[in-house]
Amino acid sequence: ETGVTQSPTHLIKTRGQQVTLRCSSQSGHNTVSWYQQALGQGPQFIFQYYREEENGRGNFPPRFSGLQFPNYSSELNVNALELDDSALYLCASSGGVGAGELFFGEGSRLTVL
Amino acid sequence: DAKTTQPNSMESNEEEPVHLPCNHSTISGTDYIHWYRQLPSQGPEYVIHGLTSNVNNRMASLAIAEDRKSSTLILHRATLRDAAVYYCILRAPGGSQGNLIFGKGTKLSVKP
Repeated sequence: ETGVTQSPTHLIKTRGQQVTLRCSSQSGHNTVSWYQQALGQGPQFIFQYYREEENGRGNFPPRFSGLQFPNYSSELNVNALELDDSALYLCASSGGVGAGELFFGEGSRLTVL
Repeated sequence: DAKTTQPNSMESNEEEPVHLPCNHSTISGTDYIHWYRQLPSQGPEYVIHGLTSNVNNRMASLAIAEDRKSSTLILHRATLRDAAVYYCILRAPGGSQGNLIFGKGTKLSVKP
């Protein structure tokens, strides 16, 4: 059983550019959520996708958007990058219902210059 | 989701037990208590969760106070690999399943 994988692991962008981060969920998991983790802080929930539909969103502006594909993999897109978007972006997958556990990837480290 | 309060940091010696406390005085009757940990340069990792009764698994034990206003994560024999940030999180059942509200957690240091 493969775990959650994310790509790229590191990337550098400049202010105003756009970025796409990718996530492959754990086998059999139909729910993917994305988190932003600034240095020294806990992760903050961005949004969640369930069966290709967004079904929960945290306090992030619309320039943060996402997609989920039929194979349950997912993308996080961030437009008009700002310096404060520099962070570790984490993807987590889960399956089933109820208060089950999330399985996190190792994250994509984004630096905005 | 209700809020949790944890110490910023704790220290332990290798091979000794560690008790990581968490206060959640505004917990609702249906909130589950979850613990995750984050090792350096990795994503968070699920540790354990419970509702009312104490829980044990291969990684740790979770002791829940009778009034559920506090809980304690117990690592029975700390190893160097247990050095991580530990997060105590309350989750309501159902709803937005992937929405975990992380605080700053407790940074655990383990000395050899």
